[in-house]
Amino acid sequence: QVQLVQSGAEVKKPGSSVKVSCRSSGGTFSTYTITWVRQAPGQGLEWMGGIIPIFGTPNYAQKFQGRVTITTDESTSTAYMELSSLRSEDTAVYYCARAKFSTSWYLILDYWGQGTLVTVSS
Amino acid sequence: EIVLTQSPGTLSLSPGERATLSCRASQSVSSSYVAWYQQKPGQAPTLLIYGASSRATGIPDRFSGSGSGTDFTLTISTLEPEDFAVYYCQQYGSTPPVTFGGGTKVEIK
Repeated sequence: QVQLVQSGAEVKKPGSSVKVSCRSSGGTFSTYTITWVRQAPGQGLEWMGGIIPIFGTPNYAQKFQGRVTITTDESTSTAYMELSSLRSEDTAVYYCARAKFSTSWYLILDYWGQGTLVTVSS
Repeated sequence: EIVLTQSPGTLSLSPGERATLSCRASQSVSSSYVAWYQQKPGQAPTLLIYGASSRATGIPDRFSGSGSGTDFTLTISTLEPEDFAVYYCQQYGSTPPVTFGGGTKVEIK
């Protein structure tokens, strides 16, 4: 059974950066797209970007271009999402999720991490 | 970018009733690449439906999806107590981006 386990909650100052990790276990890591979705308090879901580890080239939502960096470490089956120039509006729960089909950008998200709360506050 | 509009925002129903949730796209969604997710408070979303009408693994058959083009529907035939949650539709394709609807909350009447 695939499990995605994320790093713990973070509190950050405006203007700083945060890096959230997502460790995969129980399945093949390198060929399945890992994507990041965030959810502001009381709000809906927002796609940020994703990566297929074996290919290594990420795709980012236009809104986050230049501020988000998604990487992977195949040796530890871990994906990372780094968001820079944080502002209060970035306060949200950040989820990693895995696509259903191998080496595919058809982002049917069938496994999700537990979420990481990032709070941006001065 | 395709915008998804879900309606109603909130659906107040009793256990045993039928729920019909709508998701309308701003332009035609190719090959009915629409998924539905359920989210309960404090939890990550769970995949229910993909390809507009295919149930994900382990999803009860009281959940069904339909639609094509710009109009998609999630139906819960008989609401169980555990079905009261927020539901999101999502469109996807062969390349990013993906977008989500704003959600429909199904609450106990």
